[in-house]
Amino acid sequence: ETGVTQTPRHLVMGMTNKKSLKCEQHLGHNAMYWYKQSAKKPLELMFVYSLEERVENNSVPSRFSPECPNSSHLFLHLHTLQPEDSALYLCASSQEWGNNEQFFGPGTRLTVL
Amino acid sequence: GENVEQHPSTLSVQEGDSAVIKCTYSDSASNYFPWYKQELGKGPQLIIDIRSNVGEKKDQRIAVTLNKTAKHFSLHITETQPEDSAVYFCAAARYNTDKLIFGTGTRLQVFP
Repeated sequence: ETGVTQTPRHLVMGMTNKKSLKCEQHLGHNAMYWYKQSAKKPLELMFVYSLEERVENNSVPSRFSPECPNSSHLFLHLHTLQPEDSALYLCASSQEWGNNEQFFGPGTRLTVL
Repeated sequence: GENVEQHPSTLSVQEGDSAVIKCTYSDSASNYFPWYKQELGKGPQLIIDIRSNVGEKKDQRIAVTLNKTAKHFSLHITETQPEDSAVYFCAAARYNTDKLIFGTGTRLQVFP
């Protein structure tokens, strides 16, 4: 295992629901990331946090809202999603912001009905 | 914008054969090139990486080569085994940035 855990592993939600994805890293890293992985497309970086501060937001719709309460935990709050948001959402961490080596969690498979 | 092209999208080999996956990047300032392996139901795992001050790096049965002039890099797997079957992703980034630009992946199948 990589030391990065994600819950839930699978999530089905309606377009009007509110849900949250959780990520926890046990590596003592200071930077955490959210990626979206869709079929036939490259991994898309969504958000980057360094020492609990957001340092990058790659033009992600406001229906996705990240939260980083401490350097070990990262959340992605979901609200009023669209069917095209169905994808695998991956969390990753690295030793420091700007350190290229990233360790990924297993992902949450999200289906929006 | 920056992009990374990866070929082939699928690759089938017989156990024991070699497999080669190639990537081309557009940002000439890129100097960090990792390769990730993603098995079914798991997240991507870093298997090898190379920085632009070297042309080749090897770790047991896997190796990566880099040609900075042509802006391409390749993953070589020798003596393939069924457990090598997975999706492999290349990526490129400028050192000391978090912006990994990923390729679209190669599904490798190794038949016994």
